[in-house]
Amino acid sequence: SAVISQKPSRDICQRGTSLTIQCQVDSQVTMMFWYRQQPGQSLTLIATANQGSEATYESGFVIDKFPISRPNLTFSTLTVSNMSPEDSSIYLCSVEEASRETQYFGPGTRLLVL
Amino acid sequence: AQSVTQPDIHITVSEGASLELRCNYSYGATPYLFWYVQSPGQGLQLLLKYFSGDTLVQGIKGFEAEFKRSQSSFNLRKPSVHWSDAAEYFCAVGRGATNKLIFGTGTLLAVQP
Repeated sequence: SAVISQKPSRDICQRGTSLTIQCQVDSQVTMMFWYRQQPGQSLTLIATANQGSEATYESGFVIDKFPISRPNLTFSTLTVSNMSPEDSSIYLCSVEEASRETQYFGPGTRLLVL
Repeated sequence: AQSVTQPDIHITVSEGASLELRCNYSYGATPYLFWYVQSPGQGLQLLLKYFSGDTLVQGIKGFEAEFKRSQSSFNLRKPSVHWSDAAEYFCAVGRGATNKLIFGTGTLLAVQP
């Protein structure tokens, strides 16, 4: 399976600021996704990162709060904008290789907002 | 509505004992089913998956799962648990071109020496 890395691995941020999380894959993949895992909770899909076009957001998530870029088939970024303590979560990217129909996850970015 | 239920929030087993983690799903069509494990401070690792065919699937680390359509279940099993199996286990269901995953709430496994 693809090797996925995320930067930063963790961060502590002040409310009102923004943080951009990077997801890098070692091979070209068709699908990339961003998930949020709030403390003690399961994973919730934020959006599907589409290469060369706007991301597809799930209900409850909006582009102004979570802008996503995907400039090529190996890289994506998620920005958490105007952060509040409620944004403290683990943010994970996942990828799906062509025809595999299976998602593999990055190590996650642990975000604490004070 | 599509959903995944993991009835057990927390389970404690003794090292060497057998393990079964329950997963029930609600899905309109035949789903793709997955089990992932998340060790403390780590991302998610795929244990096994079921798409079709043999209803008993083998995964990594000695885990297996059985798909039972009549019970809408996909329970995870391991005959002998090791201390390193202590982690959180997530069942997920997905299907379709985008294969969006719906996750259960997870089961936290503790292993006693």
